[in-house]
Amino acid sequence: DAKTTQPPSMDCAEGRAANLPCNHSTISGNEYVYWYRQIHSQGPQYIIHGLKNNETNEMASLIITEDRKSSTLILPHATLRDTAVYYCIAKEGRRALTFGSGTRLQVQP
Amino acid sequence: GAVVSQHPSRVICKSGTSVKIECRSLDFQATTMFWYRQFPKQSLMLMATSNEGSKATYEQGVEKDKFLINHASLTLSTLTVTSAHPEDSSFYICSAPQGVRINEQYFGPGTRLTVT
Repeated sequence: DAKTTQPPSMDCAEGRAANLPCNHSTISGNEYVYWYRQIHSQGPQYIIHGLKNNETNEMASLIITEDRKSSTLILPHATLRDTAVYYCIAKEGRRALTFGSGTRLQVQP
Repeated sequence: GAVVSQHPSRVICKSGTSVKIECRSLDFQATTMFWYRQFPKQSLMLMATSNEGSKATYEQGVEKDKFLINHASLTLSTLTVTSAHPEDSSFYICSAPQGVRINEQYFGPGTRLTVT
């Protein structure tokens, strides 16, 4: 799986958009970009994934650059419950996920 | 969405005893499940891949005789920590890819093991 690089921590004001960047410059053509998050002492939660096109669901939007070397997860209106560690993972198929250090997002009231 | 459960959520055991952790896919079948562990302030580390009807495959450095995995059915995988020691205290989490939505993995809520 391609290595991903994320900032270790970010802050965001409640109600504002949270933009979490991820670098995956060595991603291969068959690897998807996945985002998961882990709220303290819970199992990780799937957020969104994409291959080439931008994606949006009820939780977030995923913006992938045209060269696929980086992506941004957007939480449009962050709430306190969005405080968590966010993991960006590049993976192909049904293999297990390889977790890096992630970004610790702190949403401030 | 797909749901994965784990039991127990917390367990405390004495050194030398064995502990079994169950992972169930509640509304889908999972021929493959993954077991992770997470030490405090660290990320999740893959321990093994559990395969229904065949032996589990273990990651380098994980002792297969200490962490016994049995994938008894399409909805149940168990992890048994044998002869537990305090250094085995950790947060154990399972996950499963959900059927046709193979790109989405669903995680259990985790099991907090404390060995005294």
